Amino acid sequence: AQSVAQPEDQVNVAEGNPLTVKCTYSVSGNPYLFWYVQYPNRGLQFLLKYITGDNLVKGSYGFEAEFNKSQTSFHLKKPSALVSDSALYFCAVREGTNAGKSTFGDGTTLTVKP
Amino acid sequence: DSGVTQTPKHLITATGQRVTLRCSPRSGDLSVYWYQQSLDQGLQFLIQYYNGEERAKGNILERFSAQQFPDLHSELNLSSLELGDSALYFCASSPLGGPFFEQYFGPGTRLTVT
Repeated sequence: AQSVAQPEDQVNVAEGNPLTVKCTYSVSGNPYLFWYVQYPNRGLQFLLKYITGDNLVKGSYGFEAEFNKSQTSFHLKKPSALVSDSALYFCAVREGTNAGKSTFGDGTTLTVKP
Repeated sequence: DSGVTQTPKHLITATGQRVTLRCSPRSGDLSVYWYQQSLDQGLQFLIQYYNGEERAKGNILERFSAQQFPDLHSELNLSSLELGDSALYFCASSPLGGPFFEQYFGPGTRLTVT
């Protein structure tokens, strides 16, 4: 069975500082990894994904994530946080052998303070 | 705006009743997914349809059913409603059904069961 863990319920950073939102996963086959962001009273928005190839993937709004196979991690990063980045972030995994099922983490609330 | 539409936005109903939630995917997307988001369970995958056929099943109760119509819109039917079914229900779509496609989420339907 596939699973995702986001070990931090909340991450607080100051505006202009780098941010990291952590995600670890468990799958039996090849992982397909995604990050989504959810603003209050809105649906989830796709940020970036790792399918294959370069371990560092770049996505929307200056976010990037690094795939680490040995540590089974896919942490979301941004070099300089903005107040407008404050939102709920979800990591998700899909497995190559189970095409439809997506497993989402519990979410991490990012708060960026001015 | 993701291009995925969901109706209604809000629904208030009583225990024991039946409701139907509707989703129209982005233009050209063949795959539709349904999710339930609640405070205690997080974001749970319910079911996926691809071009009219069920592709994958998640934690969907027997009281719940879904279908995808020839015009690709989808409906999620919830019956014998219980207080615990109160949640935000999201529909998402992707171009095809494979695991490496990101999903585009609608704004959700907030269901309140009283």
